[in-house]
Amino acid sequence: GESVGLHLPTLSVQEGDNSIINCAYSNSASDYFIWYKQESGKGPQFIIDIRSNMDKRQGQRVTVLLNKTVKHLSLQIAATQPGDSAVYFCAENRRGGADGLTFGKGTHLIIQP
Amino acid sequence: NAGVTQTPKFQVLKTGQSMTLQCAQDMNHEYMSWYRQDPGMGLRLIHYSVGAGITDQGEVPNGYNVSRSTTEDFPLRLLSAAPSQTSVYFCASSYSNRGSKNIQYFGAGTRLSVL
Repeated sequence: GESVGLHLPTLSVQEGDNSIINCAYSNSASDYFIWYKQESGKGPQFIIDIRSNMDKRQGQRVTVLLNKTVKHLSLQIAATQPGDSAVYFCAENRRGGADGLTFGKGTHLIIQP
Repeated sequence: NAGVTQTPKFQVLKTGQSMTLQCAQDMNHEYMSWYRQDPGMGLRLIHYSVGAGITDQGEVPNGYNVSRSTTEDFPLRLLSAAPSQTSVYFCASSYSNRGSKNIQYFGAGTRLSVL
């Protein structure tokens, strides 16, 4: 079954508001997590990552939070802009090796003007 | 610096035909992977490679073959296409880094339809 999943297939937010996209994972051995953004007709684009020894990591307008107790990951986007409209995937790298990533199904972020 | 380049961008096949999806990267990455993406789904790993001459199966390998003769190229072969292989295919590459980081960089995808 799915090791990594997202709670909502679609999230609609007002432009300028903050967005929070959630992800649940089930493999406690996972030690590294990545968020990707995929725009229509394009390949996934790296946004931010976090290791399992961290609880929080910040980038430019984005923050990833990791709660290992409940196996939950979230992506926060501050001051959402029209260009943020895309599908967002969380992915896990279970063993830190090169055996690829396990992706969730994705959340489609829709920006309302 | 082109990154990860996939060709062709679009392809239509008839059931039973064979073809090769090309993937090339110019970042000197050791690791390369192939994924497929179906509507409403996340990406699923087909095959991956940790270096030239080394490949292994991912989550959904059936119906696909790969080889890795050079660091730069990682072609994906469909020997006898089936309608169930209609999908968007993504190639990715990543560098080996200390620790567990495995940031994968993706190509733009190949959209394949099998009739």
